[in-house]
Amino acid sequence: EPEVTQTPSHQVTQMGQEVILRCVPISNHLYFYWYRQILGQKVEFLVSFYNNEISEKSEIFDDQFSVERPDGSNFTLKIRSTKLEDSAMYFCASSLQGAINQPQHFGDGTRLSIL
Amino acid sequence: AQKVTQAQTEISVVEKEDVTLDCVYETRDTTYYLFWYKQPPSGELVFLIRRNSFDEQNEISGRYSWNFQKSTSSFNFTITASQVVDSAVYFCALPEYNTDKLIFGTGTRLQVFP
Repeated sequence: EPEVTQTPSHQVTQMGQEVILRCVPISNHLYFYWYRQILGQKVEFLVSFYNNEISEKSEIFDDQFSVERPDGSNFTLKIRSTKLEDSAMYFCASSLQGAINQPQHFGDGTRLSIL
Repeated sequence: AQKVTQAQTEISVVEKEDVTLDCVYETRDTTYYLFWYKQPPSGELVFLIRRNSFDEQNEISGRYSWNFQKSTSSFNFTITASQVVDSAVYFCALPEYNTDKLIFGTGTRLQVFP
């Protein structure tokens, strides 16, 4: 069964450094998402991306965050200058259609630890 | 705004017991979908079910069943004859009004002991 893959599984970064989290969505999916989960808390939406542009973003997704689909397969989340509070599990998801119509399939997550 | 409430923070059962995880939601959509996801100790999020508001029939998949009651805005999840491998955090979710953003509940941690 096709799946969303995320790399790396764990990233340790010094505060203030830039980090790029990578995702390969399911190949025929058109909608892409990033969520995060601070340890022990609920999953929070960050951003959705469709047709090569951001379709929705949360208040968490400030100017330090950006997303890109550099080629036909990868979908990346960049955090420009990491803060301690960015430590979390980051999940990429994809769906064939929007969330109202199709389930979002999640990757295994990248655990980001900011020191 | 949409809201998902999972009042049970943690449930512990012994293997073979049945267990029901509650989910209550608020939505201003007249048609909508509800979702359940499982997060095992390894951390990934696994899609379990999507349910649309048109269909209030209960759904069964093996040991899993879902009871959708529009009148009480509830979408409860029952595991029959629980097993240790069912130990996980279970999240209920629904899309934010007119967007692709999924709103998750706070999750219920289920521990199944042998």
